[in-house]
Order: sequence, then structure tokens, then C-alpha cells
Amino acid sequence: GQQVMQIPQYQHVQEGEDFTTYCNSSTTLSNIQWYKQRPGGHPVFLIQLVKSGEVKKQKRLTFQFGEAKKNSSLHITATQTTDVGTYFCAGDRGSTLGRLYFGRGTQLTVWP
Amino acid sequence: NAGVTQTPKFQVLKTGQSMTLQCAQDMNHEYMSWYRQDPGMGLRLIHYSVGAGITDQGEVPNGYNVSRSTTEDFPLRLLSAAPSQTSVYFCASSYSITPNTEAFFGQGTRLTVV
Repeated sequence: GQQVMQIPQYQHVQEGEDFTTYCNSSTTLSNIQWYKQRPGGHPVFLIQLVKSGEVKKQKRLTFQFGEAKKNSSLHITATQTTDVGTYFCAGDRGSTLGRLYFGRGTQLTVWP
Repeated sequence: NAGVTQTPKFQVLKTGQSMTLQCAQDMNHEYMSWYRQDPGMGLRLIHYSVGAGITDQGEVPNGYNVSRSTTEDFPLRLLSAAPSQTSVYFCASSYSITPNTEAFFGQGTRLTVV
């Protein structure tokens, strides 16, 4: 079954609006990674969160890791057309060496 | 550095045919993995390797074989292709697995089985 749940599956926003995608795991994660995949492309690493309650920012992107290390979010402020793509979270449960559990992704469409 | 190189980029197979998807990385990464991506399903792990000579099954291993004779190469073999194996296949590598570090993905192989 799905180890890491990600919602929503699709999100359509007007350029300038904010966007958030959420990931939840039933088990504690040792760390969580976020990837972006442009249409027709391959996943590209964005960031990794390791500490409980950690918050990291990359320009308009804000990443959070929950206090219990079971959930995470990616928030984009004032979306731009260049933000279009699918955003994936990937959790490391720490129990199976090296294995990442990917969420199903959130496909973001930005209307100009 | 080329990073992770996958070949071919596109492939059409007939049901029952076999083929090997190639994956090579030049970053001296120990950990390599194969994923398949289907619409709405995200990335599902097929097989992975934590080093040369060591492989293990992922979430959806049936119908696929792997081997890791060198650090650089991690080919994925389809034994007898089926239409259900129509998908986009990604190979990935990472430097460390304890703790996990950034995964580098290849450009993908788009496989159609007719």
C-alpha cells in the first residue's frame, strides 16, 4: 500500500496565487526529500529535511517537516508559470536501507 | 560529469519480447535504483542496489531482473514484456544511503509494449 500519502493530486492556480502540497506518513520518517518534475522531464531534487519541526526556504518555496516527523509540506508563494510541474515528496523510513517512499505527487498548473 | 545516463530514451516492444534498459552513472555513487512512473501513481520502486554485487527487490519487482556487476552500471532486464509494463522508467543514484542524500535521476526511458 501507499506508504506516503500526498495531497492534492492536482492543483490549478492563477499566476500570483499561493500553492501548498502536503505529505503524510503513517510511520516516523528519518528524513524527507522534495522533488520537482517538469512536464516531460525527470525528477529533480529540491531539498531534504531531517530535523523535527524544520523549516527551510528557497526563494518563494517554503518546506516544513512536522514535529512528529510524519508529515511535511511545500508552500509556494505567488506562483509563476515557471512553477508548473509535479512535486513529489519522498520519505526515508530508516528501516530499509536506502529506500525512499515516494508520494504520488501533486501536479501544479499555473494559469497566466 | 554526465550524471545518470539512461538508454534508450524511447522503445517499443512486442508482447513477449525481452530487452535491457541501460543505466550508468559516473559519480561513484553506491546506491542505485529503478523506478517506474505511471499516471497518477507516482514513482514506484522496482529494484535497488546498495553496492556492486548487492541487489534487492522494491515494491513492484515482478517481470524485471537486475544485476550490479560494477559500481557504475545497473541494467534493468524485462524478461517477457507485457502491455502492463508500458511505462516511463527512471534510474536514479545517490551518494549515501545512511543517511539518505539527494537522488539524481536519469532522463527516463519511455517504453511501450504492444
